Amino acid sequence: GAGVSQSPSNKVTEKGKDVELRCDPISGHTALYWYRQSLGQGLEFLIYFQGNSAPDKSGLPSDRFSAERTGGSVSTLTIQRTQQEDSAVYLCASSSIAGSSYNEQFFGPGTRLTVL
Amino acid sequence: GDSVTQMEGPVTLSEEAFLTINCTYTATGYPSLFWYVQYPGEGLQLLLKATKADDKGSNKGFEATYRKETTSFHLEKGSVQVSDSAVYFCALSREGAQKLVFGQGTRLTINP
Repeated sequence: GAGVSQSPSNKVTEKGKDVELRCDPISGHTALYWYRQSLGQGLEFLIYFQGNSAPDKSGLPSDRFSAERTGGSVSTLTIQRTQQEDSAVYLCASSSIAGSSYNEQFFGPGTRLTVL
Repeated sequence: GDSVTQMEGPVTLSEEAFLTINCTYTATGYPSLFWYVQYPGEGLQLLLKATKADDKGSNKGFEATYRKETTSFHLEKGSVQVSDSAVYFCALSREGAQKLVFGQGTRLTINP
């Protein structure tokens, strides 16, 4: 079956512009996660969705970052007024098991964001 | 807070060499432990996992044992291949928390 997909694969934007990144999880997976991979910070957790609600937003770095999930499926990560330090690869993952310490997450290929 | 520390890379080995990548963790409770791998140009993939103390995860010739007494989950392979060249991430997931906490990653290059 299809894995986690993300779009666009690459995004180049100018400082100050808003961007939207999309994630399509594996069908039937109730949990969805966003991470950020950057040279200076490694792999950082951003936000977790269970269904359409986000019980853990603790990793969002500022109020310029927001995310939503609709229909228990697709999720959009929005970055407003982008800054150069937002440049990174944004990874989405999904998993079928929630509320458990056994938490196998399946990752998408990522969106590489470059802010000029 | 929870954290994972991996041995610093990059690591360069010859084919058929023995591999160890060290990983230690700090976490409350009893986390599950994972090794993820990122091959060049590909996304993160789960390599192996262990969910309780003394469990051994294994896959593709790689092994790691969950050692609670030393809070470690070192990755080992007896004979590496060129195709094992990748970045390896150690990670934990604490019970009751859904996020993965990753180490900084170790870039492994295997020369023929």
